[in-house]
Amino acid sequence: QEQLQQSGPGLVKPSQTLSLTCAISGDSVSSNNATWNWIRQSPSRGLEWLGRTYYRSKWYNDYAVSVKSRVTINPDTSKNQFSLQLTSVTPEDTAVYYCARVQRGTAAFDIWGQGTMVTVSS
Amino acid sequence: EIVLTQSPGTLSLSPGERATLSCRASQSVSSSYLAWYQQKPGQAPRLLIYGASSRATGIPDRFSGSGSGTDFTLTISRLEPEDFAVYYCQQYGSSPPTFTFGPGTKVDIK
Repeated sequence: QEQLQQSGPGLVKPSQTLSLTCAISGDSVSSNNATWNWIRQSPSRGLEWLGRTYYRSKWYNDYAVSVKSRVTINPDTSKNQFSLQLTSVTPEDTAVYYCARVQRGTAAFDIWGQGTMVTVSS
Repeated sequence: EIVLTQSPGTLSLSPGERATLSCRASQSVSSSYLAWYQQKPGQAPRLLIYGASSRATGIPDRFSGSGSGTDFTLTISRLEPEDFAVYYCQQYGSSPPTFTFGPGTKVDIK
């Protein structure tokens, strides 16, 4: 059964970098039939897609325009996981962060991580 | 960027009643790229419907999706106690690749 398990700190200081990891079980980060995504949710911004990584003979990334200058999503094939880095965070980046899978051809998030509440505060 | 609007904001119904939730897009959306989710407090969203009308694995048949173009509907034929939650629609656009969500409809117990 496919599962995503998130890890990372729940508190980040302003101007620092937010880093989260999503470990995959029951599937592969290198699958040609999936993309691996990060999404966040806050009362002010609702559900917001941040970006994705996926493998189609080589690695690709797509990022949301709103965070493109600050976000990096990387696969780690040795550990079958992928990560999120968001630089120069402000209190507006306070949110619940989720990782999620999209299966090829569906354009829908079918498997989600448990969520990580990240607070940006000094 | 396509904006999704959901109505009503809150729907107050009793168990056993029919729920009809609306999702309207600011531009035409491919039916292949419209999905619906259910979210309960403290939980991640759960995929209900993808491709506008296909039920995800394990989703009961009281949930159905329909629509095309800019107007989409999620129908819950007979509300069960576990169906009281917030429901979101979501679309995918390919140029540039992006996913957007609606603001949600809360279905609560009347």
